[in-house]
This record gives sequence, C-alpha cells and structure tokens, in this order.
Amino acid sequence: DAKTTQPPSMDCAEGRAANLPCNHSTISGNEYVYWYRQIHSQGPQYIIHGLKNNETNEMASLIITEDRKSSTLILPHATLRDTAVYYCIVRGGFSGSARQLTFGSGTQLTVLP
Amino acid sequence: DTAVSQTPKYLVTQMGNDKSIKCEQNLGHDTMYWYKQDSKKFLKIMFSYNNKELIINETVPNRFSPKSPDKAHLNLHINSLELGDSAVYFCASSQSAQGSHEQYFGPGTRLTVT
Repeated sequence: DAKTTQPPSMDCAEGRAANLPCNHSTISGNEYVYWYRQIHSQGPQYIIHGLKNNETNEMASLIITEDRKSSTLILPHATLRDTAVYYCIVRGGFSGSARQLTFGSGTQLTVLP
Repeated sequence: DTAVSQTPKYLVTQMGNDKSIKCEQNLGHDTMYWYKQDSKKFLKIMFSYNNKELIINETVPNRFSPKSPDKAHLNLHINSLELGDSAVYFCASSQSAQGSHEQYFGPGTRLTVT
C-alpha cells in the first residue's frame, strides 16, 4: 500500500470548515483513499473513502486531485466533538487477498471554541 | 445495538498469565480483524479472518492465538503475557475481505500487564 504524509497537528475554529490534507504521491491505480478518525482512545471510526472522484457523505467531503497524488478531507462545520486524530490511509481494493488498513501517525485536529 | 463489541473493556493481569479477549459483531460481516495500538498510539494489524478462515497473520508472537468459532466472533487468546503486551487491542469487521469495504471498529480492550 502507498505511504501517506499528513501534518502532525492542526487547529480549527468551531463552526468553520476543517481542511485536512494528505499526500500519497506513490498511489497506484487501484488504490483507494480512506479517512478514519480516532476520538481519544475510542475505536477508529470510518469517515469516507474514494478512488478518483470527489465524494461527500453526511460526515465529510473528500477531494482527490486529478493526479490522485493528494487529497483533502473537509469537515464543513467543525464542532468540538470533531477533535480527534484523523488518519488518511491508502489501500488496494481489488487484490486477491485481504487488504488490512495500515495506519500512520495521522493529524491531531483540535477544534477550538 | 453495538455493532462491534469487545469484552472485557479493561484487563489488568500479571506477567506469565494467560488471558482471552472476546469480540462479536452483529453486522453480518464476513471478515474480522485484530489490531494492536501501542503506547505510541500506532495501530497495527495482527490477524484477520474471513468466514472463520485465517487470512492475515502478521509478525506476531505465537503466544497470540486467534480463534473464530463462527463468522460473528473472533477471540484473541494470549499465553504467557509479557510487559510488552500492554496495549489497547481493537477488533474490527468489514463486509468482506475484497473490494473497498470500510471497517467498523470495536471500543477496544485496554490490557495492562504488571
């Protein structure tokens, strides 16, 4: 699986959009970009994933650049409960064997009141 | 209803003991996983089962033995516990081992070996 690079920490004001960047310059054609978050010692929580197109769900939006070498997770209106470590993970989806998630160190997002 | 549950939530034990952690998912998923999160907060895959069959076995000491009695359960048994086994262990499940299915994680079991 391709390696990802994320800033170690970011702050965001409550009610504003939080934009979390991720670089994955070695991503290959069949690898998806996943975002998970971990709120203080809880189990990781799935947020969103995508292959090429931008994706949106009730939690967030995922913007993937045209060359797929980077992506941005957008939390449109951050709340204090969004304070967490956010993990960007690249994972193959079509291989013949199971593909586990490989977690990096993530970005600690702190939403400030 | 909790989708992925683990018991116990906390486990404190002495070196040399044998302990088990249980995991159950009620999502009807085919694939289950065990991850370990150490004191530096890195999450690493340990095992994965698909329909009760072991499909991922990372470099884990053979003191760790997963058991899947059915596809809704994946238990982790640890023999001769060592101080370095202290960590938070997370169970997860996904619809299948193939494709782009997301994983759902349990709340974790915090194991402390003294």
